[in-house]
Amino acid sequence: QSALTQPPSVSGSPGQSVTISCTGTSSDVGSYDRISWYQQPPGTAPKLMIYDVSKRPSGVPDRFSGSKSGNTASLTISGLQAEDEADYYCTSHASITWVFGGGTRLTVL
Amino acid sequence: EVQLVESGGGLVKPGGSLRLSCAASGFTFRIYSMAWVRQAPGKGLEWVSSISPSSSSTHYADSVMGRFAISRDDAKNSLYLQMDRLRAEDTALYYCVRLDASETFYMGCWGQGTLVTVSS
Repeated sequence: QSALTQPPSVSGSPGQSVTISCTGTSSDVGSYDRISWYQQPPGTAPKLMIYDVSKRPSGVPDRFSGSKSGNTASLTISGLQAEDEADYYCTSHASITWVFGGGTRLTVL
Repeated sequence: EVQLVESGGGLVKPGGSLRLSCAASGFTFRIYSMAWVRQAPGKGLEWVSSISPSSSSTHYADSVMGRFAISRDDAKNSLYLQMDRLRAEDTALYYCVRLDASETFYMGCWGQGTLVTVSS
């Protein structure tokens, strides 16, 4: 299972919306809804933001949403806030292994 | 409160061994699959290994297969990672992760990590 492809960086101004893509293949992202997203502010451990493509754990603001189309999953953050500045990782898992995207650094301008 | 606290990291020479531990609290440890995920300095996340409840199955990334061994002690609410024949490229922050299940599995809870440095 090869690594998922994410853009290295995205940026947006407060209040704007940004979308981070996560591209795999028809064998992973395209075939299963086993997509989750993690937020990692500098110097901290990752935190779950989205699971099962589009579900939000309790406590995650509804400004964060997930979707999937074909072989590409996406994380959209609306109403951007300064505290959203972090690295974001997508992951997918086959039946026994996990693969991460390379990570995307979100900068809030 | 759910807590995962890793320990056991440190400086080790290439070819050496290290055993990481993860103490779990705040949830029924024995019913959860668990995993180790690592992050090399300045790099992204990499899944290392997973173990199912009752240790019925274990899985490894190709990069550590045959060198690392994951285990658990449900009586002690603890997860372990035995790392042998360590290489420089194993240098990373190692996170203990709880695998939660909905329609699929996901990494629901993370520890703060323990740093492993492999250097002569």
